Amino acid sequence: KQEVTQIPAALSVPEGENLVLNCSFTDSAIYNLQWFRQDPGKGLTSLLLIQSSQREQTSGRLNASLDKSSGRSTLYIAASQPGDSATYLCAVSGSGGSNYKLTFGKGTLLTVNP
Amino acid sequence: ETGVTQTPRHLVMGMTNKKSLKCEQHLGHNAMYWYKQSAKKPLELMFVYSLEERVENNSVPSRFSPECPNSSHLFLHLHTLQPEDSALYLCASSQKFRLAGFHNEQFFGPGTRLTVL
Repeated sequence: KQEVTQIPAALSVPEGENLVLNCSFTDSAIYNLQWFRQDPGKGLTSLLLIQSSQREQTSGRLNASLDKSSGRSTLYIAASQPGDSATYLCAVSGSGGSNYKLTFGKGTLLTVNP
Repeated sequence: ETGVTQTPRHLVMGMTNKKSLKCEQHLGHNAMYWYKQSAKKPLELMFVYSLEERVENNSVPSRFSPECPNSSHLFLHLHTLQPEDSALYLCASSQKFRLAGFHNEQFFGPGTRLTVL
């Protein structure tokens, strides 16, 4: 059974700092990996999706990497801003006929202080 | 309306009530999903519909009954719930389902915060 772990569970940084969020998964047979952002009491916003054949994806100040063989992904946020404060969720999809099933981690709660 | 919408946003119900959650996607997708998010736990997939056919029932109790009348609408009918069913219920949609080579990115609604008294 796939398990997804996110470290750290919570992170507090001053504005302007670069930071890295970590995600690991136990079964490397994945179809893709998605990073989401969730604001308190709200739904999920998709940030980046990395196909299993890709090594990284970039969007603005965000860069996500994937090392499928070691079961790891990182989300790099450059020049953090208070508006980046949210919970960041990592999710992996199964391979083959289960590519629609997302397994989520518990998330990293990020606070960026002005 | 754009994206994925959910109503109501907040719901308080007693254990003997019957209520329904509604989800609508405006993205032209043909797969829809219900997820449950409880405090301190990861999101859990409950149901998946593809082209109005249920393709996944993730061991969900029968007090939760999904309905998908068309590819744009998804309902979750609730009755005789328990206090432990209190959670944020999220709906999502994706463009395709199980299509090889397609990345199947899922887009989420804002959720319904359910409290069972």
